[in-house]
Amino acid sequence: EVQLVQTGGGLIQPGGSLRLSCVASGFTVSNKDIHWVRQAPGKGLEWVSIIYGGDNTHYADSVKGRFTISRDRSKNTVFLQMNNLRVEDTAMYYCGGDGLVASRGLDYWGQGTLVTVSS
Amino acid sequence: DIQMTQSPASLSASVGDRVTITCRASQVISNYLVWYQQKPGKVPKLLIYAASTLQSGVPSRFSGSGSGTDFTLTISSLQPEDVATYYCQKYDAVPWTFGQGTKVEIK
Repeated sequence: EVQLVQTGGGLIQPGGSLRLSCVASGFTVSNKDIHWVRQAPGKGLEWVSIIYGGDNTHYADSVKGRFTISRDRSKNTVFLQMNNLRVEDTAMYYCGGDGLVASRGLDYWGQGTLVTVSS
Repeated sequence: DIQMTQSPASLSASVGDRVTITCRASQVISNYLVWYQQKPGKVPKLLIYAASTLQSGVPSRFSGSGSGTDFTLTISSLQPEDVATYYCQKYDAVPWTFGQGTKVEIK
């Protein structure tokens, strides 16, 4: 069964760092494109980052230079390292897989993890 | 970057009504568009990909159309369980920008 399970998140002060994890099962993360998407409280969805099967990465302008997406093949896990966090980074963060089964688009999502940046 | 604009921002309709949501891209994206449904407190769910292909398991009352810059999501007969916010997203190239969402309620 395809599944994405997220860990990490929590309350952090502005300027701090957090690492989110997205543990995959039922497929190999090396072969699929994995995204991070966030949703600020009461707001819409915002695309954050992608790591391609070939290891290329891209970021939204709002997080470029502060966030890093990476993959550990041995753990079948994708990470989002978030540095120099700002109050406006407060959001529910989701990982999602593109076309993990038969389609295009994020057809499987993690359960979400809340990041709160506050002093 | 290409911007995605949805309309309306919200709508209220009766059970059984036909509901249409529009998504417009600021540049041509061919048919590289998906639609998601997000119920309150839940994870988004993929409804449609390639602008008009229904994801497996999605009720047939949902349909998508369009190509280029203008796209629509239609619910042919609104049901109480369709109360949710609907988002379009482009996937022709990064960034995979979302529309701002359309909140659908029952009148």
